[in-house]
Amino acid sequence: AQSVAQPEDQVNVAEGNPLTVKCTYSVSGNPYLFWYVQYPNRGLQFLLKYITGDNLVKGSYGFEAEFNKSQTSFHLKKPSALVSDSALYFCAVRPPGSGYALNFGKGTSLLVTP
Amino acid sequence: GAGVSQSPRYKVAKRGQDVALRCDPISGHVSLFWYQQALGQGPEFLTYFQNEAQLDKSGLPSDRFFAERPEGSVSTLKIQRTQQEDSAVYLCASSPVGQTQYNEQFFGPGTRLTVL
Repeated sequence: AQSVAQPEDQVNVAEGNPLTVKCTYSVSGNPYLFWYVQYPNRGLQFLLKYITGDNLVKGSYGFEAEFNKSQTSFHLKKPSALVSDSALYFCAVRPPGSGYALNFGKGTSLLVTP
Repeated sequence: GAGVSQSPRYKVAKRGQDVALRCDPISGHVSLFWYQQALGQGPEFLTYFQNEAQLDKSGLPSDRFFAERPEGSVSTLKIQRTQQEDSAVYLCASSPVGQTQYNEQFFGPGTRLTVL
């Protein structure tokens, strides 16, 4: 069963506007949650992670994500989008005690238009 | 410092051929992972090494897939008798520590395998 879901295949936003890329998970306990970004012909780049503590996590390139345990969500956000943010974004979860693999969502394509 | 490198970047194989994909992790990284990414999908875990020990191979889809890391550094993913469904991007990732679940992984650019 899929343990992480990204309900949107694509998100379109105008440059300068706030952006949100959604992620929900379906594992028990307190999972470790990650966001990665993938540019064309390049490997995945780590953006941020949630382990424990503050629900708002700040990461690279001005991105942040909010962990919401009651809604089992870990949405990625940025206050002001840039055209250069256009890429494929992956949410990943590692359930506690599950081993070492990351379980990735299908990915969300973000398109920021000028 | 160099990141994770993979070679070849692109590989075309005829069905039934054997292929070998190489991963050079970041120097000193203990953990090494292989993932398979099908078109339009997220990466799916194949196998995990801590140094030279293969601790988890639960994601390997069949016995045609074999991975090794004999000296705890470079790793090779071998696919025997390739089939069309093996067409995917194969990603390698490394991490500086072992047996921790919250450390991020550093990914290479991947090898795009096309089986005709």
